[in-house]
Amino acid sequence: ETGVTQTPRHLVMGMTNKKSLKCEQHLGHNAMYWYKQSAKKPLELMFVYSLEERVENNSVPSRFSPECPNSSHLFLHLHTLQPEDSALYLCASSQENREADTQYFGPGTRLTVL
Amino acid sequence: GQNIDQPTEMTATEGAIVQINCTYQTSGFNGLFWYQQHAGEAPTFLSYNVLDGLEEKGRFSSFLSRSKGYSYLLLKELQMKDSASYLCAVKDSNYQLIWGAGTKLIIKP
Repeated sequence: ETGVTQTPRHLVMGMTNKKSLKCEQHLGHNAMYWYKQSAKKPLELMFVYSLEERVENNSVPSRFSPECPNSSHLFLHLHTLQPEDSALYLCASSQENREADTQYFGPGTRLTVL
Repeated sequence: GQNIDQPTEMTATEGAIVQINCTYQTSGFNGLFWYQQHAGEAPTFLSYNVLDGLEEKGRFSSFLSRSKGYSYLLLKELQMKDSASYLCAVKDSNYQLIWGAGTKLIIKP
């Protein structure tokens, strides 16, 4: 059982499509994260939202656009992606206290770009 | 640059003990995390170390030496369900999590 859900679990899209990934956390946390996970590579942090304000954007291409309408929901809008964007996209949440603010992850969306 | 090193893959036998090492070079240190990730599933939190020493939690233990930039995860009485990837992550001076690439653990009967 997880307090963080993600939809869809699998997504196949063409390079000209527009799609959105959704994440919802039921843990009462105040921070949410998007990560990209590629095979045999470390997790790459894409975006961080703390108290619904974006606090991190690690040089992610503009074809990825995050949205955080409230502390429980996080979206990742995708448009004109490239085949190298195919990966597992993970959402996480945490309660920020600057020490052991453990991140809890959703099951991820497996994205394939054709 | 910041770096987390852990073995790519390890194999162990059911019922045995395995130790997964993690070494790190980061700008500052504010804690080290271990996560378990089964194939196609979410990473799940296993342990957190911020002080030197051993933290035991059932069959799993995690050790930290800050002076050596070193941690290990010890798994005892291995079960087939322990087959997974184990991720090491360090929180740096900016409280950013720096992740290792993960160690894939294969358990054989």
